[in-house]
Amino acid sequence: AQSVSQHNHHVILSEAASLELGCNYSYGGTVNLFWYVQYPGQHLQLLLKYFSGDPLVKGIKGFEAEFIKSKFSFNLRKPSVQWSDTAEYFCAVIGGSGNTGKLIFGQGTTLQVKP
Amino acid sequence: ETGVTQSPTHLIKTRGQQVTLRCSSQSGHNTVSWYQQALGQGPQFIFQYYREEENGRGNFPPRFSGLQFPNYSSELDVNALELDDSALYLCASSVTGNYGYTFGSGTRLTVV
Repeated sequence: AQSVSQHNHHVILSEAASLELGCNYSYGGTVNLFWYVQYPGQHLQLLLKYFSGDPLVKGIKGFEAEFIKSKFSFNLRKPSVQWSDTAEYFCAVIGGSGNTGKLIFGQGTTLQVKP
Repeated sequence: ETGVTQSPTHLIKTRGQQVTLRCSSQSGHNTVSWYQQALGQGPQFIFQYYREEENGRGNFPPRFSGLQFPNYSSELDVNALELDDSALYLCASSVTGNYGYTFGSGTRLTVV
């Protein structure tokens, strides 16, 4: 069965620090990869997605992610975090042909940015 | 464009009762998916509806059922509520074949 693993459950950073959140998935075929963010009290929002092409994907709010097929990874990065980046971050995957588009989410990473 | 609207926002039910959660999909979207997000966990896929029929189901028992209406809105019904059903229930809409999901803010269900 497909699964997504996020290694960092709780990350605390100071403003201006660099961020990298790990995400690994278990599926050997074609995958579509996503990072979602959930700000306190708000709905899930798409940060970025990878379907094909350039493995370095740029998203909103200065976030980017790199797809490394050989490592089954899709890590999220941001060079300099802000207090407003405090939120829950979820990595998700859709895998396989003919699938229904079911998103499989990781457990999530809580990011706390201290001013 | 309107987003995904879910109602109610919060709900408290007693174990053994039944509950219906509602979702209005984003304008132009014809597919609705439901997810359960337990505290401290990522969302888990319950099922998806397209053309008013269930089109994919996750690992949830039959007491979780749903409907999609001609206007693409949807309901999630849960019978015989258990304490473990306490969670945030998320609805997401999309256009079939396009993985641009829009999520609602969810319904927080507490079973006591």
